[in-house]
Amino acid sequence: GENVEQHPSTLSVQEGDSAVIKCTYSDSASNYFPWYKQELGKGPQLIIDIRSNVGEKKDQRIAVTLNKTAKHFSLHITETQPEDSAVYFCATLKAAGNKLTFGGGTRVLVKP
Amino acid sequence: GAVVSQHPSRVICKSGTSVKIECRSLDFQATTMFWYRQFPKQSLMLMATSNEGSKATYEQGVEKDKFLINHASLTLSTLTVTSAHPEDSSFYICSVKTYTGADGYTFGSGTRLTVV
Repeated sequence: GENVEQHPSTLSVQEGDSAVIKCTYSDSASNYFPWYKQELGKGPQLIIDIRSNVGEKKDQRIAVTLNKTAKHFSLHITETQPEDSAVYFCATLKAAGNKLTFGGGTRVLVKP
Repeated sequence: GAVVSQHPSRVICKSGTSVKIECRSLDFQATTMFWYRQFPKQSLMLMATSNEGSKATYEQGVEKDKFLINHASLTLSTLTVTSAHPEDSSFYICSVKTYTGADGYTFGSGTRLTVV
C-alpha cells in the first residue's frame, strides 16, 4: 500500500521567513495531493491541493509543487505569520481510491 | 466544500459505558463518510469507511464490535464506542467525501473522548 513520509516533523521559523515541508510517497498511482492545516483541538482544514497533471499551484502565500518522477511534493509558505503556527499534514489519494493516506505531520511554530 | 458538524466536541465517560459521536453533513448528501482516530502528536489513522445504507468497512486492526458505525441517512453517520476503556481516550474525527472525483474531503471539528 501507499506510504507517505513527511519532513521535518517540527519546524521553527521567524515571522516573515519562509517554511517548506516535503512529502514523499511510494505509490505511482496516487494522483491527488492535498495539504491540511490542523490547529489545536480542531479538525484538519484543506489549505491547498494539487493534481498529478499539474506541477505547481499557488494561492497567495501558499504554494505546492509536485515532482511525479521523484514522487515528492512540497508545501511552501512565504512571509510566515504567527497565525500560520499549526500542524500541517500532507496526504495522497489514488485515482480509483477512496481513502486518503496521511503523512506524519509537521508542527510549525512561527516566532514573532 | 461541504459543512460538516461533529458533536459533541468533548465528552468524558466512565469506563465500561458507551458513548456516541455524531457527524452531520449539513449541506451535502454524503454517501461516504470516514472516521479517524488521532492520538496526541500523531497523524490521523483511518478507522472505518461509513457507507450510507450499508455496513461500514473497517480498517485492519479496528474492532467493529467495539466501534459501531451507523450511516442510516445521507446526512448523518454515528460512531459509538462501546464498553469504553481509558485506552480508547483519543481525538475522533469524521470526514465527508463531497465529490465523486479525486477530491473534496471535508473534516469535522473532532471529538475529544476521555474515558475515566
